[in-house]
Amino acid sequence: DIQLTQSPSFLSASVGDRVTFTCRASQAISNYLAWYQQKPGKAPKLLIYIASTLQSGVPSRFSGSGSGTEFTLTISSLQPEDFAIYYCQQGNSFPFTFGQGTKLEIK
Amino acid sequence: QVQLQESGPGLVKPSGTLSLTCAVSGGSISSSNWWSWVRQPPGKGLEWIGEIYHSGSTNYNPSLKSRVTISVDKSKNQFSLKLSSVTAADTAVYYCARDRVKTSEGIDYWGQGTLVTVSS
Repeated sequence: DIQLTQSPSFLSASVGDRVTFTCRASQAISNYLAWYQQKPGKAPKLLIYIASTLQSGVPSRFSGSGSGTEFTLTISSLQPEDFAIYYCQQGNSFPFTFGQGTKLEIK
Repeated sequence: QVQLQESGPGLVKPSGTLSLTCAVSGGSISSSNWWSWVRQPPGKGLEWIGEIYHSGSTNYNPSLKSRVTISVDKSKNQFSLKLSSVTAADTAVYYCARDRVKTSEGIDYWGQGTLVTVSS
């Protein structure tokens, strides 16, 4: 199985900050990487697919980049509603796997 | 707007079989999408269980493959999950979901999730 390692596991930031999360794959996954946002008690929400394509309806402050084994998700200017847990997922090979998540907390 | 709704028992006895159904509305299960199950133990991360196409083709997580069956009922526009020989480790919120047309691109619609507890 392909392992995805997200860093950091926790991030404390303030409204208006620019933040970046990293997802590293144990082997190359081309650009088959998706990012999700999950709030407490809710299902995950797709933000980015194919590493850098913004899902319809997702604010443009979210952006993704990377290919191969290293990927990043950036939020350009944090809004109050962005505090959540963020997961990456690879779709390159079965079984599809998720990273362990990065929890974004308010400073 | 596609909507998915999980249903099934919230409590299953150890060694029993977990059975969940996902009703799809606002779209056809016979579309060009795969349909997935994902679970999340309380306070933990996400685990992909498997997926099905309307033709009945499936892909399963090898870690669960010996215990999992995913099926589709096109007449009812729904798909189902069965997980046998459950233990406390199978306690989780179970989500049904729709993959993007290219399944490698991720999951674009999710059900609200249903908590299944394995306990005697």
